[in-house]
Amino acid sequence: AQSVTQLGSHVSVSEGALVLLRCNYSSSVPPYLFWYVQYPNQGLQLLLKYTSAATLVKGINGFEAEFKKSETSFHLTKPSAHMSDAAEYFCAASNTGFQKLVFGTGTRLLVSP
Amino acid sequence: EAGVTQFPSHSVIEKGQTVTLRCDPISGHDNLYWYRRVMGKEIKFLLHFVKESKQDESGMPNNRFLAERTGGTYSTLKVQPAELEDSGVYFCASSQADRGPYGYTFGSGTRLTIV
Repeated sequence: AQSVTQLGSHVSVSEGALVLLRCNYSSSVPPYLFWYVQYPNQGLQLLLKYTSAATLVKGINGFEAEFKKSETSFHLTKPSAHMSDAAEYFCAASNTGFQKLVFGTGTRLLVSP
Repeated sequence: EAGVTQFPSHSVIEKGQTVTLRCDPISGHDNLYWYRRVMGKEIKFLLHFVKESKQDESGMPNNRFLAERTGGTYSTLKVQPAELEDSGVYFCASSQADRGPYGYTFGSGTRLTIV
């Protein structure tokens, strides 16, 4: 069964620093991969998605993620953190893109001035 | 375009009572999904409707949970009787017929607290 692991329930960075949120998936077949963000009192918003077209995926708000099959990873990065990036981030996978999503446990990003 | 609407946004009920959550998908979206996040855990799939039919209900925790989607429009998720472990945030998502998770739009969730 598909599983998604997010390392670190909390990540703290300073404003302007690099953001790196880690995600690993377990699957013998590269799945569809997603990153979602949840701001306080809001729903899940799609940041970006990988569908095998390109290994480096650019999303909204300056985020990007790189699919590395050899490492079964799909880490999320942003070169320079803003205070507004403080939120909870979820990595998710789907085997076909038509089936249900399997989520990681989430990583809360804290941004300090 | 209106998004996915869920209500209530919050609900606090006593153990043993009944609660009904509602989800209004985006108009024209045949796929409707329910997910749940218990505090501190991952978001887990509950079930998937295609129009009014249950396509996959493998994630429903037990028979205290009943989901319906009459007429293929809005959906309800009833918990009866509610137990303490049912507390969490319940998310609904919808997508067009040929999109699945690739084209999800999530609602803002219902925070359910059982006391």
